[in-house]
Amino acid sequence: DAGVTQSPTHLIKTRGQQVTLRCSPKSGHDTVSWYQQALGQGPQFIFQYYEEEERQRGNFPDRFSGHQFPNYSSELNVNALLLGDSALYLCASRETGTYGYTFGSGTRLTVV
Amino acid sequence: DQQVKQNSPSLSVQEGRISILNCDYTNSMFDYFLWYKKYPAEGPTFLISISSIKDKNEDGRFTVFLNKSAKHLSLHIVPSQPGDSAVYFCAASAITGGNTGKLIFGQGTTLQVKP
Repeated sequence: DAGVTQSPTHLIKTRGQQVTLRCSPKSGHDTVSWYQQALGQGPQFIFQYYEEEERQRGNFPDRFSGHQFPNYSSELNVNALLLGDSALYLCASRETGTYGYTFGSGTRLTVV
Repeated sequence: DQQVKQNSPSLSVQEGRISILNCDYTNSMFDYFLWYKKYPAEGPTFLISISSIKDKNEDGRFTVFLNKSAKHLSLHIVPSQPGDSAVYFCAASAITGGNTGKLIFGQGTTLQVKP
């Protein structure tokens, strides 16, 4: 049983560019959250998607946006990349009504 | 404003001994707490959780204690094994308040278990 799958694993982008990260949740999971983990810090909540709608949002600017598809997979889009956006981006999924999230291995984004 | 704090960046223990990782929180709305373990190049892996209606939860070698009055929780690993060496994150959520989507993480504690 595949867990949470994220792609790509690594990415290098130039400041000002746009990036799209992808996530396939664990089988049976319908809720997806995205987190940003800077070096030496804990993951920070970006937003959560359920039934193809953004349900909660953390303290991130509008440059960060997302989408959830009917098959529950999700995308994270970041526009106008800044150097400070360099981080590990983690996708996590859970089944509605449960509270334990399963995390993917993340996408390492480097902005130069 | 760091609502969940892990004040010890690192901890080193001998194999077979007890490892105690600590976590403090400030938001009294938090009612569900989780511990995750993270190896390099992998995502966080769920270890154990506890609801605020309990003060202890045990799963094999892992036990989590919750002291609501002190807003403090701890993870005990007994006996510690070299494979336990990883970064441990404490996380909190306000389930009753409807914030089931949002986990607030501490900064992490790097545990090293020496053979």
